[in-house]
Amino acid sequence: RKEVEQDPGPFNVPEGATVAFNCTYSNSASQSFFWYRQDCRKEPKLLMSVYSSGNEDGRFTAQLNRASQYISLLIRDSKLSDSATYLCVVNRDGGFKTIFGAGTRLFVKA
Amino acid sequence: GAVVSQHPSRVICKSGTSVKIECRSLDFQATTMFWYRQFPKQSLMLMATSNEGSKATYEQGVEKDKFLINHASLTLSTLTVTSAHPEDSSFYICSAAQGGTGVNAFFGQGTRLTVV
Repeated sequence: RKEVEQDPGPFNVPEGATVAFNCTYSNSASQSFFWYRQDCRKEPKLLMSVYSSGNEDGRFTAQLNRASQYISLLIRDSKLSDSATYLCVVNRDGGFKTIFGAGTRLFVKA
Repeated sequence: GAVVSQHPSRVICKSGTSVKIECRSLDFQATTMFWYRQFPKQSLMLMATSNEGSKATYEQGVEKDKFLINHASLTLSTLTVTSAHPEDSSFYICSAAQGGTGVNAFFGQGTRLTVV
């Protein structure tokens, strides 16, 4: 079993839709959590950090549930430009170990 | 934000040859650099962690004699794929951090290696 698991998708949604991605992690010692965005054949870029209290950045909301070892990302009012692969990333061992999920692909259609 | 430059962005080489990939931090001193490999539709897999002035730490299953990493300065790390084979074809990405952790690291643009 992979340490960080994501639904690979793809998620095909129309513009304006709300879409949610989930991610689970198996190592309870994981300390910090992030969502990255990766466009095709490009490097990953940090989208947002994830906190237990939840955090929001514009149309994006991230949530962490430590008890269930579960992370989520909600995108509201989807734009065509949101089409990308979203990577769930977990960090542990004092920050020295970063584990990437395989990513969830999102296609937003006009 | 900080800039990490990776070069070349794309390279095609013949089987049996060696390829060097450079990763430079342009506006900060990177004490630690990370090298990842990503196969199509798969996650980034950490290959090795390099600290300036010391030997790289390789992840399990990564051959250190095949993937030579040099981190001679605080702004430059290189990955050399020696005696490349078609199965080494992949997307290689570096990231650089000011501290020792992979968090808050900045990624290079990646290098797409094709071995023919």
